[in-house]
Amino acid sequence: GAVVSQHPSRVICKSGTSVKIECRSLDFQATTMFWYRQFPKQSLMLMATSNEGSKATYEQGVEKDKFLINHASLTLSTLTVTSAHPEDSSFYICSASSVPANYGYTFGSGTRLTVV
Amino acid sequence: GIQVEQSPPDLILQEGANSTLRCNFSDSVNNLQWFHQNPWGQLINLFYIPSGTKQNGRLSATTVATERYSLLYISSSQTTDSGVYFCASYGKLTFGQGTILTVHP
Repeated sequence: GAVVSQHPSRVICKSGTSVKIECRSLDFQATTMFWYRQFPKQSLMLMATSNEGSKATYEQGVEKDKFLINHASLTLSTLTVTSAHPEDSSFYICSASSVPANYGYTFGSGTRLTVV
Repeated sequence: GIQVEQSPPDLILQEGANSTLRCNFSDSVNNLQWFHQNPWGQLINLFYIPSGTKQNGRLSATTVATERYSLLYISSSQTTDSGVYFCASYGKLTFGQGTILTVHP
């Protein structure tokens, strides 16, 4: 149990376009999902907390208009990188925890975004 | 917020060796998790261990919450153990900088 599916695993897009990344909890309901960004050889940086049915909470320094998060159901959260630029290139990972969180957080397999 | 420090930052082992990774916290934590990130980026949940000791095969973990640290033990290491090991505390997960483990055959 506790499987989180993230799609796509890899995407290349042109500067100025938008890219949508999906994060689905397959066998449990996730009232809260988290989005992380990871630069090469660095740790994971929390970008935002996504709550079902309400607005996401963004960490300091994360542009909410560039990184749009929608958590429309208990099993799906999406991250849209709008007007992408090369500096947005990174590894994006989502995670989710069921309620109650008695087995910790489960992570998606990540999305490697390259903006050219 | 809570600061998470991991040591050592890098570790190189010969296959079969044992190792201990450490995670220190700047404040008390109610929950703690250890992860292994494989070379493809996938984060694998190793242990959810707010306190006490757990074992899973060659891996075990101990958290002493009152002293603000956790240890991950890897015994009889294998090349497939290579990767980055993270500990994280929550509420919202705060990650340490990780330990890069390389196991040579």
